[in-house]
Amino acid sequence: QVRLVESGGGAVQPGRSLRLSCAASGFTFSNHGMHWVRQAPGKGLEWVAIIWYDGSNKYYADSVKGRFTISRDNSESTMFLQMNSLRAEDTAVYYCARDSPYDSSGSYYFDYWGQGTLVTVSA
Amino acid sequence: DIQMTQSPSTLSASVGDRVTITCRASQSISSRLAWYQQKPGKAPKVLIYKASSLASGVPSRFSGSGSGTEFTLTISSLQPDDFATYYCQQYNSYPRTFGQGTKVEIK
Repeated sequence: QVRLVESGGGAVQPGRSLRLSCAASGFTFSNHGMHWVRQAPGKGLEWVAIIWYDGSNKYYADSVKGRFTISRDNSESTMFLQMNSLRAEDTAVYYCARDSPYDSSGSYYFDYWGQGTLVTVSA
Repeated sequence: DIQMTQSPSTLSASVGDRVTITCRASQSISSRLAWYQQKPGKAPKVLIYKASSLASGVPSRFSGSGSGTEFTLTISSLQPDDFATYYCQQYNSYPRTFGQGTKVEIK
């Protein structure tokens, strides 16, 4: 069965860095685009970034552009999010999510989600 | 960016009620819309994709409709397990955007 497990969250001071990981299993990781989505405490869902199945393209939300970097290692079925220059407003549960399987229309929704990892940015 | 607006923000209903949630996109997204259910402390779960297609394992009391800019999620007969927060999301373009959520509470 499809499994996505995030790790790497924790408490960090403003301006510092953190690296999140998303370990995938139960499917061919290299066939799927992968996303990070976050949710601040008591708030709604905010898309953060995507990396294409082969790593060839990446897109970011304006709120994290220039500070966060998404990457993947298909040989290890793992995706990463390098978060630099962290701010208090980055405090959230960070979820990894999988793009749905190939569709000729080229449009994909999030068909599986991990359980999330909490990042707290505070002095 | 495409803005997604859900209504209502909160909905109070009883078991057995028919419930409808509306989602409006700021520009046409064809049928590239998904609905997710989220329970406290849990990850979201997809219910509907392509505006009206039921995701695998989702009860048939859930249905979706619409295209372009107006979409609805309907629960035909609300069950105890359905009290949760529901989000619409467009996947027509980047950045992917979500509605602000609709919390379905027990009346």
